[in-house]
Amino acid sequence: AQSVSQHNHHVILSEAASLELGCNYSYGGTVNLFWYVQYPGQHLQLLLKYFSGDPLVKGIKGFEAEFIKSKFSFNLRKPSVQWSDTAEYFCAGFSGGYNKLIFGAGTRLAVHP
Amino acid sequence: NAGVTQTPKFQVLKTGQSMTLQCAQDMNHNSMYWYRQDPGMGLRLIYYSASEGTTDKGEVPNGYNVSRLNKREFSLRLESAAPSQTSVYFCASRTTRAGELFFGEGSRLTVL
Repeated sequence: AQSVSQHNHHVILSEAASLELGCNYSYGGTVNLFWYVQYPGQHLQLLLKYFSGDPLVKGIKGFEAEFIKSKFSFNLRKPSVQWSDTAEYFCAGFSGGYNKLIFGAGTRLAVHP
Repeated sequence: NAGVTQTPKFQVLKTGQSMTLQCAQDMNHNSMYWYRQDPGMGLRLIYYSASEGTTDKGEVPNGYNVSRLNKREFSLRLESAAPSQTSVYFCASRTTRAGELFFGEGSRLTVL
């Protein structure tokens, strides 16, 4: 079955540390991938998305992600995290067409001042 | 501009009771979705509606029914609630063929 998986369930960093969150997908064909963020008590918001073209995608708040087709990966990165980045991060992709969007289990990030 | 609106935001039910979660979007989106969010499991797709008049099962449809009432509204019904359905439910909508989802604020449901 097509799936999206996230390796790290909990990540703890200090402010100014670099961040990389892993995401792997298991399906082939045309790939559309997303990273969403959920701040405490809030709904999900889009960070960035990849549809085609440049595999390095830049999103909001200094986040970026790189699509590596050979590794089936779409890892999220940020050079220097802030306390306000404390949130849960979800990778997502389409399964079986362009209607069914499925999510990874999420990575809970805690940034300490 | 309200976006995606869900009601109610909080609900407590007893096992066996029924209820309907309502969702409405004002962005003229074609596709609408219901997800549930549980700790450590991310968001799991319950049902989706690719367009008005169609609905399809997602990853975890058992125990739920949906109705796409019109282009704006997509409701989720629990006919006989079970404790395993305690969760936070999110409605979302989407426009273009591969566009991003826009989420509602969520509905926290507790089944005792």
